[in-house]
Amino acid sequence: DAMVIQNPRYQVTQFGKPVTLSCSQTLNHNVMYWYQQKSSQAPKLLFHYYDKDFNNEADTPDNFQSRRPNTSFCFLDIRSPGLGDAAMYLCATERRGVNPYEQYFGPGTRLTVT
Amino acid sequence: AQSVTQLGSHVSVSEGALVLLRCNYSSSVPPYLFWYVQYPNQGLQLLLKYTSAATLVKGINGFEAEFKKSETSFHLTKPSAHMSDAAEYFCAVSGDTGGFKTIFGAGTRLFVKA
Repeated sequence: DAMVIQNPRYQVTQFGKPVTLSCSQTLNHNVMYWYQQKSSQAPKLLFHYYDKDFNNEADTPDNFQSRRPNTSFCFLDIRSPGLGDAAMYLCATERRGVNPYEQYFGPGTRLTVT
Repeated sequence: AQSVTQLGSHVSVSEGALVLLRCNYSSSVPPYLFWYVQYPNQGLQLLLKYTSAATLVKGINGFEAEFKKSETSFHLTKPSAHMSDAAEYFCAVSGDTGGFKTIFGAGTRLFVKA
Protein backbone atom coordinates (compact mmCIF):
# COMPACT_ATOMS: atom_id res chain seq x y z
CA ASP A 1 0.00 0.00 0.00
CA ALA A 2 1.15 3.51 -0.76
CA MET A 3 1.87 5.33 2.43
CA VAL A 4 3.74 7.88 4.49
CA ILE A 5 6.33 6.40 6.83
CA GLN A 6 8.00 8.10 9.75
CA ASN A 7 11.04 6.86 11.61
CA PRO A 8 11.56 6.44 14.41
CA ARG A 9 8.11 6.37 16.02
CA TYR A 10 9.60 7.36 19.36
CA GLN A 11 12.78 9.37 19.83
CA VAL A 12 14.47 10.39 23.04
CA THR A 13 17.18 13.01 22.91
CA GLN A 14 19.07 15.07 25.42
CA PHE A 15 18.72 18.78 25.89
CA GLY A 16 20.87 20.48 23.24
CA LYS A 17 21.77 17.29 21.36
CA PRO A 18 20.91 17.48 17.64
CA VAL A 19 18.27 15.09 16.41
CA THR A 20 16.93 14.16 12.98
CA LEU A 21 13.50 12.79 12.22
CA SER A 22 12.77 11.18 8.89
CA CYS A 23 9.77 10.85 6.63
CA SER A 24 9.39 8.86 3.45
CA GLN A 25 6.49 8.43 1.07
CA THR A 26 5.55 6.01 -1.67
CA LEU A 27 2.72 8.20 -2.95
CA ASN A 28 4.92 10.27 -5.27
CA HIS A 29 3.31 13.43 -3.94
CA ASN A 30 4.93 16.73 -4.80
CA VAL A 31 4.30 18.47 -1.48
CA MET A 32 5.66 17.41 1.90
CA TYR A 33 4.83 19.09 5.21
CA TRP A 34 6.21 19.00 8.73
CA TYR A 35 3.93 19.74 11.64
CA GLN A 36 4.52 19.98 15.36
CA GLN A 37 1.69 18.84 17.60
CA LYS A 38 1.73 19.31 21.34
CA SER A 39 -0.60 17.51 23.69
CA SER A 40 -4.30 18.24 23.12
CA GLN A 41 -3.53 20.84 20.46
CA ALA A 42 -4.00 21.14 16.74
CA PRO A 43 -1.02 20.48 14.47
CA LYS A 44 1.16 23.53 13.86
CA LEU A 45 2.79 23.87 10.46
CA LEU A 46 6.56 24.28 10.60
CA PHE A 47 7.43 24.25 6.89
CA HIS A 48 6.73 22.58 3.59
CA TYR A 49 8.40 21.61 0.34
CA TYR A 50 6.66 21.94 -3.01
CA ASP A 51 8.94 19.83 -5.15
CA LYS A 52 12.32 21.36 -4.26
CA ASP A 53 10.95 24.73 -3.20
CA PHE A 54 11.18 25.20 0.53
CA ASN A 55 8.87 27.43 2.54
CA ASN A 56 9.41 28.20 6.19
CA GLU A 57 6.52 29.46 8.31
CA ALA A 58 7.28 32.86 9.77
CA ASP A 59 7.04 31.67 13.37
CA THR A 60 9.12 28.51 12.96
CA PRO A 61 12.21 28.81 15.18
CA ASP A 62 15.62 28.83 13.50
CA ASN A 63 16.41 25.76 15.56
CA PHE A 64 14.28 23.74 13.11
CA GLN A 65 15.63 22.90 9.68
CA SER A 66 14.51 20.60 6.90
CA ARG A 67 15.98 18.77 3.95
CA ARG A 68 14.35 17.07 1.01
CA PRO A 69 17.03 15.23 -0.95
CA ASN A 70 14.53 13.66 -3.34
CA THR A 71 10.78 13.31 -3.92
CA SER A 72 10.41 10.42 -1.50
CA PHE A 73 12.30 11.63 1.56
CA CYS A 74 12.12 14.59 3.86
CA PHE A 75 14.01 15.20 7.09
CA LEU A 76 13.43 17.42 10.11
CA ASP A 77 16.56 18.51 11.93
CA ILE A 78 16.38 20.07 15.37
CA ARG A 79 19.78 21.59 16.00
CA SER A 80 19.60 22.16 19.73
CA PRO A 81 16.45 20.68 21.21
CA GLY A 82 14.97 22.37 24.22
CA LEU A 83 12.45 20.98 26.67
CA GLY A 84 9.76 22.95 24.86
CA ASP A 85 10.41 21.01 21.66
CA ALA A 86 9.03 17.81 23.14
CA ALA A 87 6.03 17.03 20.96
CA MET A 88 4.62 14.76 18.28
CA TYR A 89 6.08 15.58 14.86
CA LEU A 90 3.87 14.78 11.92
CA CYS A 91 4.85 14.50 8.30
CA ALA A 92 2.18 14.88 5.63
CA THR A 93 2.09 14.77 1.86
CA GLU A 94 -0.14 16.25 -0.78
CA ARG A 95 -0.51 15.91 -4.52
CA ARG A 96 -0.97 19.51 -5.51
CA GLY A 97 -2.61 19.87 -8.89
CA VAL A 98 -4.62 16.66 -8.56
CA ASN A 99 -6.13 16.65 -5.05
CA PRO A 100 -5.24 20.07 -3.71
CA TYR A 101 -5.05 20.50 0.06
CA GLU A 102 -5.87 16.84 0.74
CA GLN A 103 -3.11 15.71 3.06
CA TYR A 104 -1.93 12.23 3.92
CA PHE A 105 -0.28 11.96 7.31
CA GLY A 106 2.33 9.62 8.63
CA PRO A 107 1.97 8.02 12.08
CA GLY A 108 4.18 10.64 13.68
CA THR A 109 7.35 10.63 15.75
CA ARG A 110 6.99 11.39 19.43
CA LEU A 111 10.03 13.31 20.60
CA THR A 112 11.05 13.36 24.25
CA VAL A 113 13.75 15.77 25.43
CA THR A 114 15.50 14.91 28.68
CA ALA B 1 -7.87 35.01 6.14
CA GLN B 2 -9.41 31.71 7.06
CA SER B 3 -10.37 30.36 10.47
CA VAL B 4 -12.09 27.37 12.01
CA THR B 5 -14.02 27.05 15.24
CA GLN B 6 -14.95 23.70 16.71
CA LEU B 7 -17.66 23.97 19.31
CA GLY B 8 -17.02 21.71 22.26
CA SER B 9 -13.57 20.42 23.13
CA HIS B 10 -15.16 17.24 24.50
CA VAL B 11 -18.28 15.39 23.37
CA SER B 12 -19.61 12.28 25.06
CA VAL B 13 -22.22 9.97 23.53
CA SER B 14 -23.56 6.53 24.28
CA GLU B 15 -22.82 3.66 21.96
CA GLY B 16 -25.50 3.59 19.27
CA ALA B 17 -26.39 7.27 19.70
CA LEU B 18 -26.06 10.02 17.13
CA VAL B 19 -22.67 11.69 16.86
CA LEU B 20 -22.67 15.42 16.07
CA LEU B 21 -19.41 17.38 16.04
CA ARG B 22 -19.73 21.05 15.21
CA CYS B 23 -17.48 23.10 12.98
CA ASN B 24 -17.86 26.66 11.78
CA TYR B 25 -15.46 28.28 9.36
CA SER B 26 -14.60 31.67 8.03
CA SER B 27 -13.21 32.15 4.55
CA SER B 28 -13.12 34.98 2.04
CA VAL B 29 -12.79 32.49 -0.82
CA PRO B 30 -14.61 29.25 -1.60
CA PRO B 31 -13.18 26.92 0.98
CA TYR B 32 -11.87 23.40 0.91
CA LEU B 33 -13.11 21.80 4.12
CA PHE B 34 -11.90 18.63 5.78
CA TRP B 35 -12.53 16.44 8.77
CA TYR B 36 -9.63 14.40 10.11
CA VAL B 37 -9.60 11.81 12.89
CA GLN B 38 -6.65 11.11 15.16
CA TYR B 39 -6.33 8.07 17.38
CA PRO B 40 -3.88 8.15 20.31
CA ASN B 41 -0.24 8.24 19.23
CA GLN B 42 -1.21 8.19 15.57
CA GLY B 43 -1.21 10.66 12.71
CA LEU B 44 -4.29 12.28 11.27
CA GLN B 45 -6.51 10.30 8.92
CA LEU B 46 -8.79 11.97 6.41
CA LEU B 47 -12.45 11.23 7.11
CA LEU B 48 -13.99 13.33 4.37
CA LYS B 49 -13.57 16.51 2.35
CA TYR B 50 -15.71 19.18 0.72
CA THR B 51 -14.44 20.73 -2.49
CA SER B 52 -17.48 22.58 -3.88
CA ALA B 53 -19.17 19.57 -5.41
CA ALA B 54 -22.06 18.03 -3.45
CA THR B 55 -22.91 19.81 -0.21
CA LEU B 56 -23.53 16.52 1.60
CA VAL B 57 -20.27 14.67 1.79
CA LYS B 58 -19.96 11.03 2.76
CA GLY B 59 -16.77 9.77 4.29
CA ILE B 60 -15.26 6.67 5.75
CA ASN B 61 -16.54 4.74 8.78
CA GLY B 62 -20.12 5.93 8.27
CA PHE B 63 -19.40 9.62 8.82
CA GLU B 64 -20.86 12.42 6.77
CA ALA B 65 -20.84 16.20 6.81
CA GLU B 66 -23.01 18.87 5.29
CA PHE B 67 -21.65 22.13 3.92
CA LYS B 68 -24.01 25.00 4.72
CA LYS B 69 -22.75 28.23 3.23
CA SER B 70 -25.47 30.37 4.80
CA GLU B 71 -24.45 29.13 8.25
CA THR B 72 -20.73 28.82 7.43
CA SER B 73 -20.87 25.39 8.99
CA PHE B 74 -19.52 21.94 8.19
CA HIS B 75 -20.79 19.71 11.00
CA LEU B 76 -19.78 16.06 11.18
CA THR B 77 -22.38 13.40 11.93
CA LYS B 78 -22.70 9.68 12.30
CA PRO B 79 -26.09 8.05 12.96
CA SER B 80 -24.85 5.43 15.42
CA ALA B 81 -21.69 5.72 17.48
CA HIS B 82 -19.38 2.79 17.93
CA MET B 83 -16.78 2.34 20.64
CA SER B 84 -14.08 2.47 17.98
CA ASP B 85 -15.12 6.05 17.10
CA ALA B 86 -13.56 7.35 20.31
CA ALA B 87 -10.79 9.66 19.10
CA GLU B 88 -9.85 13.30 18.47
CA TYR B 89 -11.53 14.96 15.51
CA PHE B 90 -10.16 17.99 13.69
CA CYS B 91 -12.03 20.22 11.28
CA ALA B 92 -9.80 22.07 8.81
CA VAL B 93 -10.07 24.69 6.08
CA SER B 94 -7.77 25.39 3.14
CA GLY B 95 -7.79 27.14 -0.20
CA ASP B 96 -6.96 30.70 0.71
CA THR B 97 -5.00 32.35 -2.13
CA GLY B 98 -3.79 28.98 -3.36
CA GLY B 99 -1.32 28.74 -0.50
CA PHE B 100 -0.14 25.75 1.47
CA LYS B 101 -1.42 26.48 4.94
CA THR B 102 -4.29 24.43 6.33
CA ILE B 103 -6.06 25.96 9.29
CA PHE B 104 -7.03 23.32 11.83
CA GLY B 105 -9.62 23.70 14.52
CA ALA B 106 -8.65 23.05 18.11
CA GLY B 107 -10.09 19.57 17.97
CA THR B 108 -12.98 17.75 19.63
CA ARG B 109 -12.36 14.66 21.68
CA LEU B 110 -15.18 12.15 21.27
CA PHE B 111 -15.92 9.76 24.12
CA VAL B 112 -18.22 6.80 23.53
CA LYS B 113 -19.87 5.20 26.54
CA ALA B 114 -20.90 1.56 26.59
